[in-house]
Order: sequence, then structure tokens, then C-alpha cells
Amino acid sequence: KAGVTQTPRYLIKTRGQQVTLSCSPISGHRSVSWYQQTPGQGLQFLFEYFSETQRNKGNFPGRFSGRQFSNSRSEMNVSTLELGDSALYLCASRDFYEQYFGPGTRLTVT
Amino acid sequence: QQPVQSPQAVILREGEDAVINCSSSKALYSVHWYRQKHGEAPVFLMILLKGGEQKGHEKISASFNEKKQQSSLYLTASQLSYSGTYFCGTEVLDSSASKIIFGSGTRLSIRP
Repeated sequence: KAGVTQTPRYLIKTRGQQVTLSCSPISGHRSVSWYQQTPGQGLQFLFEYFSETQRNKGNFPGRFSGRQFSNSRSEMNVSTLELGDSALYLCASRDFYEQYFGPGTRLTVT
Repeated sequence: QQPVQSPQAVILREGEDAVINCSSSKALYSVHWYRQKHGEAPVFLMILLKGGEQKGHEKISASFNEKKQQSSLYLTASQLSYSGTYFCGTEVLDSSASKIIFGSGTRLSIRP
């Protein structure tokens, strides 16, 4: 099976802009979670989607949002970008037990 | 809510053993272990479920004490390829759904 894929892999944006990141889970996996990874804060949980519904969310401002489509592909959106949003954004898909990460999208906000 | 990992860093010589600990203040459904190498995504190693079932890596073992909400990862006869940062992820119930929360990581360096 193909692994989790994320696009784009790298992104440079300016403060105030918005960005959309995409994630395609492993075939058959219906759960998709998003994480933000920074050197200072580590791996922070953003939200999880299952069958197009957000099941859980972390402690991030409303500027961070996501959605999941009927084919389980997911997108996350960050509006009004801030310098502190610079991070590696990781998507992970899960069947019942194991959760597998994609390669991530490296977002740089200038 | 974030699990606590210890030690924060460890340096070993090839062939030596290491133990990485993870503890949580909340009741856990499961514990997940990952290894991340610099510039790469975390790679799944193992999951430990309530009731004792384990799924994962052949050469790495782990334990899960449900009552104490603690898990330990055992790396025996370490190889150079074991270098990286190890994360434990604890699955907790939150708002009627579970989520996996990660510790701050343990940096493992293996020297020849």
C-alpha cells in the first residue's frame, strides 16, 4: 500500500496570507489527524477527522481549520498567517490501531 | 496532559542498551512509540494496548503499566540506525473521542 502523502512539501508565505495543506491517507484509513511540529513546542495535536467529521481538536486558535472529504482525503487551512505558524505540519492516518505519518509540509512564514 | 518522557537525551555506544520512559497523568487507552530522524517524519515503531497486546517492531520491545499510566521502550544491542528522537504518544479520551498526545521526545545518539 502507498503511504500517507502530503502536498505541497514546502511552502513559503507572507504574514497575513492564508494557506491550504493537503493530505491523502493510506488506502482504507478513515481517520486523519493533523499535528504541528516546532523545535520549541514539539508535536502538537491540531485535530482529527473521521468519516468527514471532526472528532477532536487541540488547543489552537480558530485560524486553524480542516476538513475531510468522502474519499478520506483531508485539508487543513490556516488563515491570517503569523510568524509563529512556521512549522512542520504532519498528517497522520489511522485504521484501528497504528497511526502512520506523512512526510509533512514545511511552512515558512516571512 | 502531555506525557512526560525521560531521559531527554542519551548517548550510547553501539551494542549498548537503553530504556526510555513515558508517563501520563491521565488514564490511557494505548501508548504509541515513534522514532524520528532529522529532517524526516516520525516512523511508527509500536503500539501497546490496554490488556497487554502489542503490535509493532520485531527488535524493539516495550511495556505498558496501565495502573501507573506508564510505558517504557527497551532498545537492546543498539545499532547505529537506532539514532534519532523517540516520541511516545499517549491515547487519551477527550470530549468523547480519543486523541494521541505526544511527549517532548528523547534524543538518542549511538556512537560506533
